[in-house]
Amino acid sequence: GAVVSQHPSWVICKSGTSVKIECRSLDFQATTMFWYRQFPKQSLMLMATSNEGSKATYEQGVEKDKFLINHASLTLSTLTVTSAHPEDSSFYICSASLGHLTGNTIYFGEGSWLTVV
Amino acid sequence: DAKTTQPTSMDCAEGRAANLPCNHSTISGNEYVYWYRQIHSQGPQYIIHGLKNNETNEMASLIITEDRKSSTLILPHATLRDTAVYYCIVRGSYIPTFGRGTSLIVHP
Repeated sequence: GAVVSQHPSWVICKSGTSVKIECRSLDFQATTMFWYRQFPKQSLMLMATSNEGSKATYEQGVEKDKFLINHASLTLSTLTVTSAHPEDSSFYICSASLGHLTGNTIYFGEGSWLTVV
Repeated sequence: DAKTTQPTSMDCAEGRAANLPCNHSTISGNEYVYWYRQIHSQGPQYIIHGLKNNETNEMASLIITEDRKSSTLILPHATLRDTAVYYCIVRGSYIPTFGRGTSLIVHP
């Protein structure tokens, strides 16, 4: 299947700093990418939908000024957690779709562990 | 998207078939059934998807009932590495949303 890669796999940052997570589709062009957050023993929670060349659409309750999403090309989307706090520590996962049809498979990255100390 | 109902947990002996059920009684005509699994501390892995017909690939088989209100994911010969949380998702829009899934434990 298609490959979606995230970087870094894990990161530790100090409270108040910002951290960027990259999501790349390695062998296909993704017009749409999705960002999820997952807390321990919970399911994936959709944070935002990222469309290439346009502003991201955020889910209710997700602060767009805190979680900055950029989708500048068809193969790269970035999530920047600004002014991170310990409660932002979580597993962040991106996914990418080959297209907008419901029959288009969505592939997920390996995930990025963020720990804010 | 139609909601899905899955058992919270299941277990299976290594080498036996694992049959994971999913109810999606409110599914509509254009909604696909997708299955993913998530091994601890990793991103979800795509397994299989289907609309009406049964599907099979190198990983699993997907059986969809004729009324499409339920489906079963079959891992024909479960191994210890199949221990994971399995998510059944019904997609009507292009945004996939996840429920709690089924925690499958494969034991020796």
